[in-house]
Amino acid sequence: DAGVIQSPRHEVTEMGQEVTLRCKPISGHNSLFWYRQTMMRGLELLIYFNNNVPIDDSGMPEDRFSAKMPNASFSTLKIQPSEPRDSAVYFCASSRGPEAGTITEQFFGPGTRLTVL
Amino acid sequence: GENVEQHPSTLSVQEGDSAVIKCTYSDSASNYFPWYKQELGKRPQLIIDIRSNVGEKKDQRIAVTLNKTAKHFSLHITETQPEDSAVYFCAAAFSGGYNKLIFGAGTRLAVHP
Repeated sequence: DAGVIQSPRHEVTEMGQEVTLRCKPISGHNSLFWYRQTMMRGLELLIYFNNNVPIDDSGMPEDRFSAKMPNASFSTLKIQPSEPRDSAVYFCASSRGPEAGTITEQFFGPGTRLTVL
Repeated sequence: GENVEQHPSTLSVQEGDSAVIKCTYSDSASNYFPWYKQELGKRPQLIIDIRSNVGEKKDQRIAVTLNKTAKHFSLHITETQPEDSAVYFCAAAFSGGYNKLIFGAGTRLAVHP
């Protein structure tokens, strides 16, 4: 298996531009998570999906952020308009289940390093 | 609300020494406690996990202990090596939470030769 795939790996954009980050979870995984990592705030959970349905988006910082999961193999995180403070590494992670109430391992993608100038 | 506190934020040891990282969680319903290692510029990767029905788990040089009463869990690395240098994150989850993890702030471990 190729693992969780994210694209692009690096993105440099100017303030005010729209940014779209993409994620392909591991085949067979039905939970998907978007995280943001910065030195100041650590690893923050932004939103997560189960069976393509958003379960909790309380971590999304503001209305400029939106996420979709149109099918089991694809998710996007969009920032519009982008701001310099959005600069961070964005990770996507996926996991199976939970299965029969048992929590399973989350596998992280390689991340997208976003720089907003 | 859900919270995981992790200490210390940085840890420096000599090669061959032991390292201990401690975490405290707030949600008594938490029943799954993974530890992730993140090397510089890489993704977090699971190194060991423990569930609430177990008090201790070992895998070669690493071990994790859990004290449910005190809501503490710890990572122990013995015979540290330079390649153990990384940021380590603890996390907590509960079975009703769709695999949602609450992460600690991380510990930057430096192992000096």
